[in-house]
Amino acid sequence: NAGVMQNPRHLVRRRGQEARLRCSPMKGHSHVYWYRQLPEEGLKFMVYLQKENIIDESGMPKERFSAEFPKEGPSILRIQQVVRGDSAAYFCASSPGGNIDQAFFGQGTRLTVV
Amino acid sequence: AQSVSQHNHHVILSEAASLELGCNYSYGGTVNLFWYVQYPGQHLQLLLKYFSGDPLVKGIKGFEAEFIKSKFSFNLRKPSVQWSDTAEYFCAVNAKMSNYQLIWGAGTKLIIKP
Repeated sequence: NAGVMQNPRHLVRRRGQEARLRCSPMKGHSHVYWYRQLPEEGLKFMVYLQKENIIDESGMPKERFSAEFPKEGPSILRIQQVVRGDSAAYFCASSPGGNIDQAFFGQGTRLTVV
Repeated sequence: AQSVSQHNHHVILSEAASLELGCNYSYGGTVNLFWYVQYPGQHLQLLLKYFSGDPLVKGIKGFEAEFIKSKFSFNLRKPSVQWSDTAEYFCAVNAKMSNYQLIWGAGTKLIIKP
C-alpha cells in the first residue's frame, strides 16, 4: 500500500497562472480531505470530498479555488489565477470512512507563487 | 472560534534531553486530541490520540501525552530524545460535533543536536 500520494511535491507558478495539485488516496479509501498550511500557521481545513461528491467546502476560498474527486483518478485541487498569498503547503488526507481519526496524510505539495 | 495554540515554534535540544511540547486548545465541549509528526521529506503521521479514558496516552516511538481537561491542555512528552526525533510536531483537535474537521496548531520544529 503506497500511502497517500501527492504530486507534485513542489510547484512554482507565476502570478495569474493555474495550479493543479493531485492527491491519490490510499487503496480502498473513498474519502479525501484537503488542508492548507500558510507560513507560520497551522493547517486549515479546505474541503471534504467523497467519490464524485463535495461533502463540505466551507473552508475553500469563494473564488479561484475548486476541488474534485472523480470516479476514476486522483482528487484534484485547482487554483486559478494564482496570487502570492496562495503560496502555502497543501496537504491531502484520505480515509475509508468519514472519520478523520482514521485518515492518512500525504507529504504535501508546496506551492510557491512568484 | 476554536483554536489550538502551540507555545514554541522552534525547540533545540541535545540527545538524551527530556522533551515537553505544549498544546492548549479553546473549545468548551468534548474533544478528540491528536499529535502528528512530520519527519523531513515524509508524510504527516499520527503519533498518538486521545478520545476518552486514561488521560495519559502512549504513542509510537516512546512518546506520550497527557490530557488535562481543567487546563485545556494536551502536552507531548518524551523522557529522552534521539537525533531521529528531529521533525515538526503538530497538535490538533477534533470537536466531536464534526467527524472530519481538525483544528491545528501552528507546529513546533524540533531539532535534536547529536
